[in-house]
Amino acid sequence: ETGVTQSPTHLIKTRGQQVTLRCSSQSGHNTVSWYQQALGQGPQFIFQYYREEENGRGNFPPRFSGLQFPNYSSELNVNALELDDSALYLCASSAGSGEKLFFGSGTQLSVL
Amino acid sequence: RKEVEQDPGPFNVPEGATVAFNCTYSNSASQSFFWYRQDCRKEPKLLMSVYSSGNEDGRFTAQLNRASQYISLLIRDSKLSDSATYLCVVIPYNAGNMLTFGGGTRLMVKP
Repeated sequence: ETGVTQSPTHLIKTRGQQVTLRCSSQSGHNTVSWYQQALGQGPQFIFQYYREEENGRGNFPPRFSGLQFPNYSSELNVNALELDDSALYLCASSAGSGEKLFFGSGTQLSVL
Repeated sequence: RKEVEQDPGPFNVPEGATVAFNCTYSNSASQSFFWYRQDCRKEPKLLMSVYSSGNEDGRFTAQLNRASQYISLLIRDSKLSDSATYLCVVIPYNAGNMLTFGGGTRLMVKP
């Protein structure tokens, strides 16, 4: 076990809805990254938070947003869901930018 | 062109076979390279880092060719438990630990 927990494990939403995914990082880790993995593809970097500030973002539209809390847990919010947002969403924490990542087991989101 | 490209496979091999996967990357300024393993719809797990001098971990050997922007993974004496998707990962220069994944190569080892 990596000590990174994600909730929920599975989620079904309909197009146009909003969703919030949660991640608790490993104890002592101040950096959280989020990745989207569509079926049959590799994970794609969404963004990273370091000490509650976004410090890197991949090629995702603004309707993908995040937060990191003082305890370093994190949320990923997606507004106006589209069918193509159906994917496995992975959270990873680390002791700093540049340190080894520890992945959670992911949230499987289905958009109908 | 994708930043990291892999043959998606699947590679179907018998137990005991040797199999090799290749990966190419487009950003010549990339600084760190890894192979991850992913079982069906689970989280990716670090298999090994890849160094210019080449490195080995038991049955697994990784090679990096910076001039050709090419990474390889060799698995000897394949086991049934090696069946998984293997993801090539690159970190561009100054990108901290923001990983760029390839699409993955699926390996199926059969009895």
